[in-house]
Amino acid sequence: GENVEQHPSTLSVQEGDSAVIKCTYSDSASNYFPWYKQELGKRPQLIIDIRSNVGEKKDQRIAVTLNKTAKHFSLHITETQPEDSAVYFCAAGLGGNKLTFGTGTQLKVEL
Amino acid sequence: DTAVSQTPKYLVTQMGNDKSIKCEQNLGHDTMYWYKQDSKKFLKIMFSYNNKELIINETVPNRFSPKSPDKAHLNLHINSLELGDSAVYFCASSQWGRNTEAFFGQGTRLTVV
Repeated sequence: GENVEQHPSTLSVQEGDSAVIKCTYSDSASNYFPWYKQELGKRPQLIIDIRSNVGEKKDQRIAVTLNKTAKHFSLHITETQPEDSAVYFCAAGLGGNKLTFGTGTQLKVEL
Repeated sequence: DTAVSQTPKYLVTQMGNDKSIKCEQNLGHDTMYWYKQDSKKFLKIMFSYNNKELIINETVPNRFSPKSPDKAHLNLHINSLELGDSAVYFCASSQWGRNTEAFFGQGTRLTVV
């Protein structure tokens, strides 16, 4: 089955700095890679996703890159703000079903 | 208006009891899931139903039994609760075969004492 590794497990940045979270996956058949943000006590919510036919996608301060050959993908957050503080999960799946989640990254944006 | 709703939000119960968590989605999706999130925040899939048919059944104790009366509902019944069952259980839904997001419910925090 799919195995997703995520690093780092915790990340502290100063407000305004960039944050990068990296994930690797094992199943070369996976073709869907979403990123979820989970605020304390809340549900995971999708912030951005990328499909295997695309190498990069950007949405305002958030961008995701995918390297299919190396089987890794990354989340980039620029100009971080305190409200970006949360746990971020990467995931990998096939056809959007049975997502396998990474172990999560606790991002803390300090003032 | 809530897309995926699950009840109850909190559940405190004693060891050995049987409890159920209910989930409903109004997104018209045909696939629903149960995820378990432990104290370390790991999100692990437990079950998945597509059009009321069980399609994913990960290594979960037999004490856990999902039931899907229709594609908009997926309930989780847990027998003989154990301390290790304490976790947050999330229901989610998506459309099968499409690379689109899974929507999560608000979670049920189960505490077994």
